[in-house]
Amino acid sequence: DAKTTQPNSMESNEEEPVHLPCNHSTISGTDYIHWYRQLPSQGPEYVIHGLTSNVNNRMASLAIAEDRKSSTLILHRATLRDAAVYYCILRASGGYQKVTFGTGTKLQVIP
Amino acid sequence: NAGVTQTPKFRILKIGQSMTLQCTQDMNHNYMYWYRQDPGMGLKLIYYSVGAGITDKGEVPNGYNVSRSTTEDFPLRLELAAPSQTSVYFCASGRHQETQYFGPGTRLLVL
Repeated sequence: DAKTTQPNSMESNEEEPVHLPCNHSTISGTDYIHWYRQLPSQGPEYVIHGLTSNVNNRMASLAIAEDRKSSTLILHRATLRDAAVYYCILRASGGYQKVTFGTGTKLQVIP
Repeated sequence: NAGVTQTPKFRILKIGQSMTLQCTQDMNHNYMYWYRQDPGMGLKLIYYSVGAGITDKGEVPNGYNVSRSTTEDFPLRLELAAPSQTSVYFCASGRHQETQYFGPGTRLLVL
């Protein structure tokens, strides 16, 4: 199974951009890169996903390296509500693949 | 849509007791999942289902059973509860290999 590596924790000041890195050096050509986040005492929620091109939505942007061995989740202006654990996971297209949620990156937002 | 609902929210069990964690989704998703999350850890897949009548084991299935008689419901059964099953349990659903939608979780304490 392709694995991902993320820093255990990061800090950001409120209203500043945050770049959350994820390494996935063993990614295969059919793996999509998904990001979820888990707010305190809640279930995970979907943030964004992509395959090769950079992606934007109302929550965040996803920048994918040209060789796809790493990606970065970008929160353009961190708010206190963005304090959460962020998970980077890989999901293959077609059929069912067991997905592993690692320990993620705990983001602390400082007022 | 209510999304994914789970009951109960919290339960205390004695060692050796049994219980069923309920999960219902109203989004007509074919895929459903059960995860457990121990304190400070990521999510571990217990069982999953790709449609009514079809279930399969995840990473940590021992001590649990599931059934999927309808598209909407995916109950998780604990037989002979043990302290090691103290955890937060999340149910999720999704369409094929796309985004997973998580429920609010059930906190289980086995004493």
